[in-house]
Amino acid sequence: EPEVTQTPSHQVTQMGQEVILRCVPISNHLYFYWYRQILGQKVEFLVSFYNNEISEKSEIFDDQFSVERPDGSNFTLKIRSTKLEDSAMYFCASSDARSQLGTQYFGPGTRLLVL
Amino acid sequence: GNSVTQMEGPVTLSEEAFLTINCTYTATGYPSLFWYVQYPGEGLQLLLKATKADDKGSNKGFEATYRKETTSFHLEKGSVQVSDSAVYFCALRANNAGNMLTFGGGTRLMVKP
Repeated sequence: EPEVTQTPSHQVTQMGQEVILRCVPISNHLYFYWYRQILGQKVEFLVSFYNNEISEKSEIFDDQFSVERPDGSNFTLKIRSTKLEDSAMYFCASSDARSQLGTQYFGPGTRLLVL
Repeated sequence: GNSVTQMEGPVTLSEEAFLTINCTYTATGYPSLFWYVQYPGEGLQLLLKATKADDKGSNKGFEATYRKETTSFHLEKGSVQVSDSAVYFCALRANNAGNMLTFGGGTRLMVKP
């Protein structure tokens, strides 16, 4: 069964450093998402992406964040200058092209720790 | 704004016990409702969904009924197994919020043999 994959599974970085989290969505999907879960808190929506542009973003997704689909398979989340409060589990998701409101399939997450 | 509230865990049950995990929501209009499950070390997996009032979603013995009058979508299973041990997330997708999902805080279920 096709699945969303994410790399790395864990990343530790120093405050102020840039990080790039990578995701490979399901191959025939065209809608992509990032969510995050700070330890002990709810899963929160960050951004959705379709047709090479952001379609929605939350207030969390400020200028420090960016997303990109650099090729036909990867979908990345970049944090330009990490802060301590960026420490969280980051989930990528994708949904298919039949409907904008299709079921979202999630990856296993990347746990980011900012020191 | 839109929000989802679910019972805090952990919920600890013996094998074959009956499970209920409560979920209530606040949203305008008629949201779609979901239960996702996260097994240890894995991502969120869709367990079941319901898109309109009185719909019942079901999968793997789990059921949830979309109750608009009580704004609830409680998850139930008649007889849990050790393999059901996981974190369960209730979520909604509001009609006025595009494609984003709004999640509850998650409920950890532990099933003992």
